[in-house]
Amino acid sequence: GAVVSQHPSRVICKSGTSVKIECRSLDFQATTMFWYRQFPKQSLMLMATSNEGSKATYEQGVEKDKFLINHASLTLSTLTVTSAHPEDSSFYICSARIGTVLNEQFFGPGTRLTVL
Amino acid sequence: DQQVKQNSPSLSVQEGRISILNCDYTNSMFDYFLWYKKYPAEGPTFLISISSIKDKNEDGRFTVFLNKSAKHLSLHIVPSQPGDSAVYFCAASAMSNAGNMLTFGGGTRLMVKP
Repeated sequence: GAVVSQHPSRVICKSGTSVKIECRSLDFQATTMFWYRQFPKQSLMLMATSNEGSKATYEQGVEKDKFLINHASLTLSTLTVTSAHPEDSSFYICSARIGTVLNEQFFGPGTRLTVL
Repeated sequence: DQQVKQNSPSLSVQEGRISILNCDYTNSMFDYFLWYKKYPAEGPTFLISISSIKDKNEDGRFTVFLNKSAKHLSLHIVPSQPGDSAVYFCAASAMSNAGNMLTFGGGTRLMVKP
């Protein structure tokens, strides 16, 4: 299947700093990329949907000024957690989709963010 | 308000037996359902899906059943193998939604004992 990578896989930062997470589709071009957040023992919660070259669409309750999403190309999307606080500590997973077919949505391995 | 629920956080099954993972949903607009498998430190991978026009879809050892009136679906794995040990997520979508976004359940950890 198609491969989606995320970098870094794990990051620990101090409160107040900003953290950038990269999501890349390695062997395909993704029309749409998604960012999810997963709290321990809970489901993946969609944060935002982004299409290349346009602004991301954020889900209700997700602060767009805090979670900046840039979808610079068909193979790269970045999520920047600005002025991170301990409550932002979570597992962030991106996914990339080919076209609009639902089962052609491929997930990255996730990034564990810990804010001290 | 969780629209997709997996009420069993974990399930333990003996190798060779059947594993049954359950999922319930509340949104009647959902018309496409998927199951994903997730190993530690990896992203979820697609396993099998079913459209609401069907009540069963089979792929090798994996079968998904859909009961629309009960808003319930289940994933059957038979025979279960130790390599099936993972967290399984069900997800649902309303195809009429622009963007076709997925709503996930909380996951069920399956442990298949040799």
